[in-house]
Amino acid sequence: GAGVSQSPSNKVTEKGKDVELRCDPISGHTALYWYRQSLGQGLEFLIYFQGNSAPDKSGLPSDRFSAERTGGSVSTLTIQRTQQEDSAVYLCASNGQMNTEAFFGQGTRLTVV
Amino acid sequence: GESVGLHLPTLSVQEGDNSIINCAYSNSASDYFIWYKQESGKGPQFIIDIRSNMDKRQGQRVTVLLNKTVKHLSLQIAATQPGDSAVYFCAENYQGGSEKLVFGKGTKLTVNP
Repeated sequence: GAGVSQSPSNKVTEKGKDVELRCDPISGHTALYWYRQSLGQGLEFLIYFQGNSAPDKSGLPSDRFSAERTGGSVSTLTIQRTQQEDSAVYLCASNGQMNTEAFFGQGTRLTVV
Repeated sequence: GESVGLHLPTLSVQEGDNSIINCAYSNSASDYFIWYKQESGKGPQFIIDIRSNMDKRQGQRVTVLLNKTVKHLSLQIAATQPGDSAVYFCAENYQGGSEKLVFGKGTKLTVNP
C-alpha cells in the first residue's frame, strides 16, 4: 500500500539481545520520526530525520538506541542489549513537508523477556 | 481532560453528548498544531489541524480551538458516538533546535452507550 509500513509487527526478544526495527515511509516523504509508546501512556519522541540534515537524536533514552536512514528512505531503529523497560510499541511516522500532518505506521510491539 | 503526569487522563461521556478534550502545548513559537486519534492496537490517525494564524477550525463533527495567549488547544466532538472512543493526542510543530512534531500526553475518551 501507499502508507507507512513497519516490520515486524511484533517482536519478542530475550533480555540482552539486540533488535532491529524497520520503517518504510511514504515514498517521497523527507521527514521521518520514531516514537516510543509504553502501555497506556503517551508518545515519547526518539529521533527525527529531515532530508539530508543531521538527525535530531535528542529523544534517544540511552546510547543503546540508535537509528539510521539509508538513501533518505528506509529507516532502522536498533536497540542493543535490550532491557525489560524497552518493552513498548515503537511507532514510525513520515511527512512530506513542514506544517503538514505526519502519517503513522501501525507500530512494532517489542516485548523483552 | 488536560494532559498531566505519566498516565493518560480519561474522559467519559454519554453517547450523543458533546466532548471537549484539552491540551496544553509547550512552545509559544509553535506555528502548527494537529489532533490525532489512536484506536486500540493502531497507529495515530489525523483528525484535524490548525495553523497559528487561526483560532478556530471546523471539520465534520469536530472543532479545534487555539488560544495562543495561554498556549491551549481544545478538540470539540459533537454528538459523540461509541466509535469516537479512543486516545486523542495533540501535537505541535515545535520551533526550537530542529523543527519537529512533538506530542502531548493524550486523553482517553470513553463513550458510554
